[in-house]
Amino acid sequence: DSGVTQTPKHLITATGQRVTLRCSPRSGDLSVYWYQQSLDQGLQFLIQYYNGEERAKGNILERFSAQQFPDLHSELNLSSLELGDSALYFCASSPGVHAADTQYFGPGTRLTVL
Amino acid sequence: GQQVMQIPQYQHVQEGEDFTTYCNSSTTLSNIQWYKQRPGGHPVFLIQLVKSGEVKKQKRLTFQFGEAKKNSSLHITATQTTDVGTYFCAGLRTTDSWGKLQFGAGTQVVVTP
Repeated sequence: DSGVTQTPKHLITATGQRVTLRCSPRSGDLSVYWYQQSLDQGLQFLIQYYNGEERAKGNILERFSAQQFPDLHSELNLSSLELGDSALYFCASSPGVHAADTQYFGPGTRLTVL
Repeated sequence: GQQVMQIPQYQHVQEGEDFTTYCNSSTTLSNIQWYKQRPGGHPVFLIQLVKSGEVKKQKRLTFQFGEAKKNSSLHITATQTTDVGTYFCAGLRTTDSWGKLQFGAGTQVVVTP
């Protein structure tokens, strides 16, 4: 158990819909990272938040957005969902702002878009 | 596309054998991390290498960072069934000081008893 929690564990929805994935970092960690893992793309970095502010952006689509709240939990919003958005979405947390810090991954949310 | 390449993509190993997985980057890395993901699980941090030519060992696992800091390897000796999973390397480019860890596609390891 990494100490990072993610909800829900599974999500099944239809194309065109919008979903919200939630992540609570380890106690004391200020950074939250979001990753997408699909079979053909591996682990893709989406975005990082540090202490409420966006710090780095990866291959995140415009249909996706994220935020980190004052209590440090984070939400990833996916809208206008397409079949290709089906994937495992992981969040990870770390104590500091640098990606060189050890990242602790949550159990993931498996999103299925039908 | 992938800027950190891992080979092989799949590794089928007989229990007790050794194997090596390789990670190559097109650009110089400030550090490299290795993660292991068990089937159905999430990536778990194994180790981080920072210095050119650095070698670190964790029991039967030996990690190496190349002299040019563009490649890395993970060598596992006397493979056990508990070594099953996908091993990812993740590199931080020297030009990305913040959060852009570039993950390789992983080496999926299957161990036959």
